[in-house]
Amino acid sequence: QSALTQPASVSGSSGQSITISCTGTSSDIGNYNLVSWYQQHPDKAPKLLIYESSQRPSGVSNHFSGSRSGNTASLTISGLQAEDEADYYCCSYTTSSTVIFGGGTKLTVL
Amino acid sequence: QVQLQESGPGLVKPSETLSLTCSVSGGSISSYHWSWIRQPAGKGLEWIGRVYNSGTTKYNPSLKSRVTMSVDTSKNQFSLKLNSVTAADTAVYYCARDFYDVSGWRTVEPWGQGTLVTVSS
Repeated sequence: QSALTQPASVSGSSGQSITISCTGTSSDIGNYNLVSWYQQHPDKAPKLLIYESSQRPSGVSNHFSGSRSGNTASLTISGLQAEDEADYYCCSYTTSSTVIFGGGTKLTVL
Repeated sequence: QVQLQESGPGLVKPSETLSLTCSVSGGSISSYHWSWIRQPAGKGLEWIGRVYNSGTTKYNPSLKSRVTMSVDTSKNQFSLKLNSVTAADTAVYYCARDFYDVSGWRTVEPWGQGTLVTVSS
């Protein structure tokens, strides 16, 4: 299974909004509303930000939001803060009952 | 809440078998299903596979021929074995819970802190 496609890097100024895309196929994102997004700071385990494409777990800031359309999911971070600088990964359930991750996106807050 | 902790050798020789254990606290291992995920230094996450509480498994096709996962309900632990390792298997290995509800799979959460395994002679 090939990794979901994410941009390698994105950047934005403090206070701005950015969107990270995650593109899959009809065997994963296109078939299920089961995309999760994780934030990973250096040398830390990934932290769940979004599940079921747009749901936020308890305790996750509402400046993170997710959406899905067709074979593509998106993570939007509004009001960028310095602490948002991290790597972001999408993942999806697949028609083979496996899980597939994106290659990751490095967010730089200017 | 459920917490996970990986353990095992940090150094494995090429061609040998990597063996890791994940200890689960705050919940019964029989109540959930469990995944292993790895991350080579500076690279992305790769899902290795899942062991269901029944002992049934589902593996990443790219690793299927070398992977074995199992659960030990008496110890509230589950394990990963990866044989014939090479330097390409050097990575941080995470154990995690697959979260299901009545509708099926929802997400992977929570995760352990991860453990670095280096393959080198």
